[in-house]
Amino acid sequence: EPEVTQTPSHQVTQMGQEVILRCVPISNHLYFYWYRQILGQKVEFLVSFYNNEISEKSEIFDDQFSVERPDGSNFTLKIRSTKLEDSAMYFCASSRGTLLGNTIYFGEGSWLTVV
Amino acid sequence: AQSVTQPDIHITVSEGASLELRCNYSYGATPYLFWYVQSPGQGLQLLLKYFSGDTLVQGIKGFEAEFKRSQSSFNLRKPSVHWSDAAEYFCAVGTNTGNQFYFGTGTSLTVIP
Repeated sequence: EPEVTQTPSHQVTQMGQEVILRCVPISNHLYFYWYRQILGQKVEFLVSFYNNEISEKSEIFDDQFSVERPDGSNFTLKIRSTKLEDSAMYFCASSRGTLLGNTIYFGEGSWLTVV
Repeated sequence: AQSVTQPDIHITVSEGASLELRCNYSYGATPYLFWYVQSPGQGLQLLLKYFSGDTLVQGIKGFEAEFKRSQSSFNLRKPSVHWSDAAEYFCAVGTNTGNQFYFGTGTSLTVIP
């Protein structure tokens, strides 16, 4: 079965440092997403990406966040200056089309700890 | 605003027993409803989804869910739980105005022999 892969599985970083979380979506998928889950809280939508641009983003996705598809396979989430409250599990996801009628596949998550 | 509530943070059932995980949603229009499961060290795997039509939907691994508009619920059920079903279960609602999910906080399922 195709899968979304994420690296690293766990990263510890100092507050104020930049972090890049990497994702390899399923190869024929066109829509890409980042979600996050702070410990004990809901999984929250961050951003969706289609046709090399952001299609939707949430209020959480402020100027310290950015996404990029630097080549044909990777999809990255960059956090420029991490804060303690950025500690969370970050999920990458992809789908062939919009969520209506298409399955969104999630990766295993990248656990980010900011100290 | 859209939201999803999963009232049960943790449920413990015996292997072979039936299971029902509760999910309530808040959304003004027809919702698109999903159940995902996350096993330890795994990603979120889609169990089933409801877009329209028959309100009882069948999913993978023997799971089913029933959409009840009058109760704003989409409860997940399984008649006989297996030890491998121990995992975290997430209910989510999607909207027809966007391409994002709103998740519940999840229900952790423990299966005892």
